[in-house]
Amino acid sequence: EIVLTQSPGTLSLSPGERATLSCKASESVNSNFLAWYQQKPGQAPRLLISGASSRAAGVPDRFSGSGSGTDFTLTINRLEPEDFAVYHCQQYGRPPVTFGQGTKVEIK
Amino acid sequence: QVQVVQSGAEVKKPGASVKVSCKTSGYTFTGYYIHWLRQAPGQGLEWMGWISPYSGNTNYAEKFQGRVTMTRDTSISTAYMELSGLRSDDTAVYYCARGVVVIFDFWGQGTLVTVSS
Repeated sequence: EIVLTQSPGTLSLSPGERATLSCKASESVNSNFLAWYQQKPGQAPRLLISGASSRAAGVPDRFSGSGSGTDFTLTINRLEPEDFAVYHCQQYGRPPVTFGQGTKVEIK
Repeated sequence: QVQVVQSGAEVKKPGASVKVSCKTSGYTFTGYYIHWLRQAPGQGLEWMGWISPYSGNTNYAEKFQGRVTMTRDTSISTAYMELSGLRSDDTAVYYCARGVVVIFDFWGQGTLVTVSS
């Protein structure tokens, strides 16, 4: 199965700063079938990005996804207070679906 | 609007079984797969399998084959996940999620299953 490694484990930033989260796959992800989810404490994950770069409905444009092959990035421009959360990447290009271990974006 | 509501928290003893329900509304239940995932305390997300509400066909992750059963009742737009032979490392929050292919666009609120003697 494809192993996804997210870095850093924790990112400490201030509101208004830019967050850059990495997701590296152990092998190439077919057709860039890579998604990102946001999860706040005590809540279910929320879909942000699919197809590596397509925002889900209602997701603000400060969230952007990029990358291909084995290297993918989620960028959050101008962090808002509600953006402090854990972010998970998921590949769905090759069964079984797998997730990274998550990156926590915390307030500095 | 799409809503996905799961059953409440469960406490089970080792070796027991648990059955979690996932009631959906606001869309055509048979039009989308339902996936089950879990998240152990402080851990990442783990996909367990899916069920097609239309056909009843299932596909389970290899890790759970033989222990998990996914079913559905189309008359009440509800899916179920039963996990047997519970162990302490099955303690986790279990989620159901609507799948667009294998992108999970609407999630239940999660069901905490605690396995303890």
